[in-house]
Amino acid sequence: GAGVSQSPSNKVTEKGKDVELRCDPISGHTALYWYRQSLGQGLEFLIYFQGNSAPDKSGLPSDRFSAERTGGSVSTLTIQRTQQEDSAVYLCASSFTNEKLFFGSGTQLSVL
Amino acid sequence: GESVGLHLPTLSVQEGDNSIINCAYSNSASDYFIWYKQESGKGPQFIIDIRSNMDKRQGQRVTVLLNKTVKHLSLQIAATQPGDSAVYFCAEKDGSARQLTFGSGTQLTVLP
Repeated sequence: GAGVSQSPSNKVTEKGKDVELRCDPISGHTALYWYRQSLGQGLEFLIYFQGNSAPDKSGLPSDRFSAERTGGSVSTLTIQRTQQEDSAVYLCASSFTNEKLFFGSGTQLSVL
Repeated sequence: GESVGLHLPTLSVQEGDNSIINCAYSNSASDYFIWYKQESGKGPQFIIDIRSNMDKRQGQRVTVLLNKTVKHLSLQIAATQPGDSAVYFCAEKDGSARQLTFGSGTQLTVLP
């Protein structure tokens, strides 16, 4: 009965390095979302998957950001050449629908 | 563009009192609304949701009220407890959207 699992929980990296963030959704959930949350802010939509397809990538802030989902399950969010403004909590959520989302605890990314 | 906003960034209440957290939305096509609670270091946790064909919905110690005329949503928490201290987010979605749009959050602090 595991919920949405994200790893790592914390990631510290140097400016210019690439990072990969992982999300294991709830089993059977076909919809998967990535959101970004800056300190004291709301949730900023990044990308949405339905199965392995990403019909909505409109929230990705730049071409340094990419994501994939394999087997209709695990998703990876990759940030290339990280910048200090990428520092935030990256939240993953999954759902049977695109309404009631179940969130993981997030990955706190710090870019030095 | 369309947005979801909150009236107050912080709210302090005495333990045992009732709390009311407000949220304004601007998308008249929104037909689904949801409240999340986020404790420090955790992901958002579902509290309650409501569709636009309803004005009120009750859960355990929580009630959501929807006023479509003025595009206003509120979350009422009865007999507020210390464990209710968290950031509360409202979010909305219209039928054509694939993702929820979140407000910026209200920090609720319960005073002893």
